[in-house]
Amino acid sequence: EIVLTQSPATLSLSPGERATLSCGASQSVSSSYLAWYQQKPGLAPRLLIYDASSRATGIPDRFSGSGSGTDFTLTISRLEPEDFAVYYCQQYGSSLTFGGGTKVEIK
Amino acid sequence: QVQLVQSGAEVKKPGASVKVSCKASGYTFTSYGISWVRQAPGQGLEWMGWISAYNGNTNYAQKLQGRVTMTTDTSTSTAYMELRSLRSDDTAVYYCARDRSLVGATIFDYWGQGTLVTVSS
Repeated sequence: EIVLTQSPATLSLSPGERATLSCGASQSVSSSYLAWYQQKPGLAPRLLIYDASSRATGIPDRFSGSGSGTDFTLTISRLEPEDFAVYYCQQYGSSLTFGGGTKVEIK
Repeated sequence: QVQLVQSGAEVKKPGASVKVSCKASGYTFTSYGISWVRQAPGQGLEWMGWISAYNGNTNYAQKLQGRVTMTTDTSTSTAYMELRSLRSDDTAVYYCARDRSLVGATIFDYWGQGTLVTVSS
């Protein structure tokens, strides 16, 4: 099973700042089959990025994904108030696993 | 618009079974898969398994093999997830999600609202 480790666990930033979230895999993720989801309290997750760098329908371009192999990054170029949430990475190259999440909180 | 509407909250005793439904609308049900994901209170996301709405093929997470069964009813565009021999650590919100693949679990572009299952004596 591929284990995904997200860092940091919590990111404290102000609106307008840049957020950089990391997701490390215990083995190489084939074909960059990695996705990112955003989850707000009491709500279902929302798909942001798939195939490591493709934005899902309706996702603003301030969200971008990059990486390959075992190291992946989600970048939010300028944080909007609605972006404060928990973010999960997920790999689907070998079965399917989620990372433990990164909480982006208001500083 | 695409919608996945799940059945309501359940309270079960240890050792019992629970069956959660997920009714899909707004798209061709048999053109996608359905995955089930659960989230224990205050915890992260755990993938439970996937079913093809086209032919009923399934792929379950190894941890739940033997306790979980996923089915679909194409006549009503509804997916079901049954979990047996419930334990207290099965207490979680259970989500269904539309999976873009008919071959195996991949990415989830629409989600149900979640169903809280509480296991308590």
